[in-house]
Amino acid sequence: DVKVTQSSRYLVKRTGEKVFLECVQDMDHENMFWYRQDPGLGLRLIYFSYDVKMKEKGDIPEGYSVSREKKERFSLILESASTNQTSMYLCASRWQTNQPQHFGDGTRLSIL
Amino acid sequence: GESVGLHLPTLSVQEGDNSIINCAYSNSASDYFIWYKQESGKGPQFIIDIRSNMDKRQGQRVTVLLNKTVKHLSLQIAATQPGDSAVYFCAENVRRNTPLVFGKGTRLSVIA
Repeated sequence: DVKVTQSSRYLVKRTGEKVFLECVQDMDHENMFWYRQDPGLGLRLIYFSYDVKMKEKGDIPEGYSVSREKKERFSLILESASTNQTSMYLCASRWQTNQPQHFGDGTRLSIL
Repeated sequence: GESVGLHLPTLSVQEGDNSIINCAYSNSASDYFIWYKQESGKGPQFIIDIRSNMDKRQGQRVTVLLNKTVKHLSLQIAATQPGDSAVYFCAENVRRNTPLVFGKGTRLSVIA
């Protein structure tokens, strides 16, 4: 089974802090994704990556950056956290297009 | 924290009955479709997928139907159980090498 692991289930940070969310997958998947999920808004794509050192902006990249130095790891960075970034963050990976995306269990991030 | 299912359409079914969850997709060029299940506090879990060259696919207790004429996708769950209570999302692949596009979701509530 595919395993997508997010480093923290719950995280509390303060406004202005730099926050790192880590995601690791164990199936040698090419593609990785970061979403945030908010009530009434569904899943919104922040950034994605189709290969090591490659990144593409999703629908809501403002205030975020990403890093993919190794194939199995995709990090989401909040450069200066703000309260409107309080949300559930979900990482996903897939082998290639037209294959299922597999999700981690999410990180519930609160910015105070 | 707030449920990700807040404000979603809800389907309530009796335990043992069949459930049908519907989804209207956006793009007639979409060639791949997936259903996900998301339980409270967890990430979306892959259930079943279907390609556009098919109109029906069956899994264990689940069937996905695709009607390309009216851009409609449905998920049928046979003999619904309490463990099926969750939010269900459809997703489509609009173009090659692009991320999936997710629907807003439907909450399934099973009455014992």
